Amino acid sequence: ETGVTQSPTHLIKTRGQQVTLRCSSQSGHNTVSWYQQALGQGPQFIFQYYREEENGRGNFPPRFSGLQFPNYSSELNVNALELDDSALYLCASSPMTGLNTEAFFGQGTRLTVV
Amino acid sequence: ELKVEQNPLFLSMQEGKNYTIYCNYSTTSDRLYWYRQDPGKSLESLFVLLSNGAVKQEGRLMASLDTKARLSTLHITAAVHDLSATYFCAVDYGGSQGNLIFGKGTKLSVKP
Repeated sequence: ETGVTQSPTHLIKTRGQQVTLRCSSQSGHNTVSWYQQALGQGPQFIFQYYREEENGRGNFPPRFSGLQFPNYSSELNVNALELDDSALYLCASSPMTGLNTEAFFGQGTRLTVV
Repeated sequence: ELKVEQNPLFLSMQEGKNYTIYCNYSTTSDRLYWYRQDPGKSLESLFVLLSNGAVKQEGRLMASLDTKARLSTLHITAAVHDLSATYFCAVDYGGSQGNLIFGKGTKLSVKP
């Protein structure tokens, strides 16, 4: 149990729709990162939020957007869903300061686009 | 662009045998992580390696880091069925925690 919770756990959407995924970070963590993991692949970094600002972005189009709230929880929004967006979406929280720290992952949201 | 390569991608072992998974990365990084993932589940942190020569052990798993060679290894000793899972290595990108580049994973199957 990492203390990072994601909702919903499973979701089915139709191509072209929009989706919002949610993540509550572990207590004391001010940084949230989002990853997309396609079936049989390693997770791919989407973006990171630190103190409510985007703090780095991977190679994902602008229809992937996010927010971080004052309590450090976060949302991932995906517009104009495509079939290839079907994946496990993982949220990870971590403290920004300190060297000997690590990211803790939530259980993920399984998104299926049909 | 930082690239992380793992090999092998698939590994079938007999119980009681030893084996090593390799993780190579393309640019300088002082932080390397190993995760375990069971089917349909999230990522479980196994090891955080923070400096050249770092070695950590937990049960039948031992991880090491050689930053000069840009190589980390995950050694499995006397494998048991419960170790069957997919193992990922990941390297920091941009120096901030949680901004990780992952390898493709090594799917380990331990057979009786």
